[in-house]
Amino acid sequence: DIQMTQSPSVLSASVGDRVTLNCKASQNINKYLNWYQQKLGEAPKLLIYNTNNLQTGIPSRFSGSGSGTDYTLTISSLQPEDVATYFCFQHNSWPTFGSGTKLEIK
Amino acid sequence: QVQLKESGPVLVQASETLSLTCTVSGFSLTNYGVIWVRQPPGKGLEWMGIIWRNGNTDYNSALKSRLSINRDTSKSQVFLKMNSLQTDDTAIYYCTRESPHAFMDAWGQGASVTVSS
Repeated sequence: DIQMTQSPSVLSASVGDRVTLNCKASQNINKYLNWYQQKLGEAPKLLIYNTNNLQTGIPSRFSGSGSGTDYTLTISSLQPEDVATYFCFQHNSWPTFGSGTKLEIK
Repeated sequence: QVQLKESGPVLVQASETLSLTCTVSGFSLTNYGVIWVRQPPGKGLEWMGIIWRNGNTDYNSALKSRLSINRDTSKSQVFLKMNSLQTDDTAIYYCTRESPHAFMDAWGQGASVTVSS
């Protein structure tokens, strides 16, 4: 199975900051990489699919990039409502999730 | 509006079988697959298996011997059954929609299941 490693595991930033979350695959996943946001007590929500496609209804401050084994989720200006855990997910082969990055406000 | 909703027992005894139902609306099971994902308390997400739009299934190899997923398209329902439960099967169980463009887009609210020894 493809292993997905997210970094950092916890990220603390200030409102308005530009924030970057990282996800590294153990092998090439051909951009079949999604990002999900999970707020406390809620189900995950799809933010970005296939590396850089913004899901309908998701604010444009969220963006994704990457290729091969390395991918990033960027929040251009952090908002209080962005406090959540973010999971990356690959569906190039048997699907697997990253372990998550917990995003906090300083 | 696309919706998925999980239902089933909250508490199951160890060694018994878990049965969960995912009832969907806003789309047809003949056009979309349904995926089951679980999340143990305080932990990450595990992809369990899928029933594709054509009715074929694929399972996580770690669970394959215990897991089955079926559906009733006339009732817009997908069923998960997992036997020989252990305490580490305690988790929130989610059903999600498989989509051609995003693979996994909409999620249900989740069903919390506790396995008691």
